[in-house]
Amino acid sequence: EAGVTQFPSHSVIEKGQTVTLRCDPISGHDNLYWYRRVMGKEIKFLLHFVKESKQDESGMPNNRFLAERTGGTYSTLKVQPAELEDSGVYFCASSPDVLAGELFFGEGSRLTVL
Amino acid sequence: GDSVTQMEGPVTLSEEAFLTINCTYTATGYPSLFWYVQYPGEGLQLLLKATKADDKGSNKGFEATYRKETTSFHLEKGSVQVSDSAVYFCALSFSGGYNKLIFGAGTRLAVHP
Repeated sequence: EAGVTQFPSHSVIEKGQTVTLRCDPISGHDNLYWYRRVMGKEIKFLLHFVKESKQDESGMPNNRFLAERTGGTYSTLKVQPAELEDSGVYFCASSPDVLAGELFFGEGSRLTVL
Repeated sequence: GDSVTQMEGPVTLSEEAFLTINCTYTATGYPSLFWYVQYPGEGLQLLLKATKADDKGSNKGFEATYRKETTSFHLEKGSVQVSDSAVYFCALSFSGGYNKLIFGAGTRLAVHP
C-alpha cells in the first residue's frame, strides 16, 4: 500500500512568486492534515480536512495560504505571494479516523524562498 | 497555551549506549502523548504512545512513561544502534481534538559505531 506522497520534495522560488505543494494521502483516509516546520523549530499544525471539507484551519498563517482538497482525494497548498518567512518544510499527513491518534506522514516538501 | 518542550540536540552517542530524550508538556487537560521518529529521507512515523497517566508506551526497544505529576514523557532506550539515528519528536493531542498534534521542536540523535 502506498504511503502519503508529497510533491515537490524541494522547491526554490523567489519572494513574490507562487508555489503549489501537492499531497496524495493514503487511499481511503478521509482525514488529511498539513503541518509546517520552520527553521528547525516545532512542527506546527496548519489545517485539517475531513474528506473535501475544512474541519479546522486555525493554523493557517494568513490569507496568502490557500488549501484545497478536490473531491476528498489529493490536496494542494498554495502560497501566493511567497515571503521569506514561508521557508520551511511542509508536511502532509493522513489518517483513517480521529480516534487512535496516529497520523501517517509524508516525507515533506521543503520550500526555500529567496 | 498547550505546548511541548524537548531537550535540544543533537544528541551524539556510541552504539550500545543508554538513551534518554527528555520531554515535558504543558496542557490544560489530559492529553494523549506520542513519540514520532523521522529517519533520514522518510516521513514521520509513530514510535509509541500513551493515552493516560502511568501508561507506558513501548516499541522497538524504546519506552516512555506518561508521568502526570511531572508532566513528562521521556523517551528511553537501553542500548542504541546506528540505525536509531533519526530526529525524534514528542507530541500531544486531546481526545476529541481530531488528531491535531502539538509537537516539540525535535531532537536529533546520532549514533556512531
